[in-house]
Amino acid sequence: AQTVTQSQPEMSVQEAETVTLSCTYDTSENNYYLFWYKQPPSRQMILVIRQEAYKQQNATENRFSVNFQKAAKSFSLKISDSQLGDTAMYFCAFGWNNDMRFGAGTRLTVKP
Amino acid sequence: EADIYQTPRYLVIGTGKKITLECSQTMGHDKMYWYQQDPGMELHLIHYSYGVNSTEKGDLSSESTVSRIRTEHFPLTLESARPSHTSQYLCASSDPGANEKLFFGSGTQLSVL
Repeated sequence: AQTVTQSQPEMSVQEAETVTLSCTYDTSENNYYLFWYKQPPSRQMILVIRQEAYKQQNATENRFSVNFQKAAKSFSLKISDSQLGDTAMYFCAFGWNNDMRFGAGTRLTVKP
Repeated sequence: EADIYQTPRYLVIGTGKKITLECSQTMGHDKMYWYQQDPGMELHLIHYSYGVNSTEKGDLSSESTVSRIRTEHFPLTLESARPSHTSQYLCASSDPGANEKLFFGSGTQLSVL
């Protein structure tokens, strides 16, 4: 069974600084998808970034980028130039064969 | 504007009441999901559907039921609510392709007294 682990329940970062959120997963599959979702306080969960396992190049979306290490089964999210609006819960997710598994989440607080 | 809607946003009810949480999407997605999420915790899949007249139970055992009579509508029903059902319920949908991204509703925060 696929599992997703986020070992940092809470993190904080100063505005304009860079922060990295960790995620590891366990699977025996070769082709799958990995996601980072953001859930702001009392707001809708939205997709931040997505990575296809068959692609070696790390995905990037503006200030958000990932470090995908397939052999190590690691999928960290880097947020550059952190903004107050980045304050949210961040969930790492693993998708395969119409199944999506979520980690426990990391609560990120951006401080002014 | 294409989106996914959940109502009510907040609900406080007494034990034993029957409730239905509504979820509708205007994106024409075949796949829809219900997740249960306790505060600050991970999401647990409780129901999903691949299309009209298709419903399946997820990983987390739930006393709720769902129906999918129309593509856009995926309501969740609790026949007799209990305090243990207090939680946030998130509805989501996704594109027909495998492992496409999920679109989430704003959630329903349910409190059973």
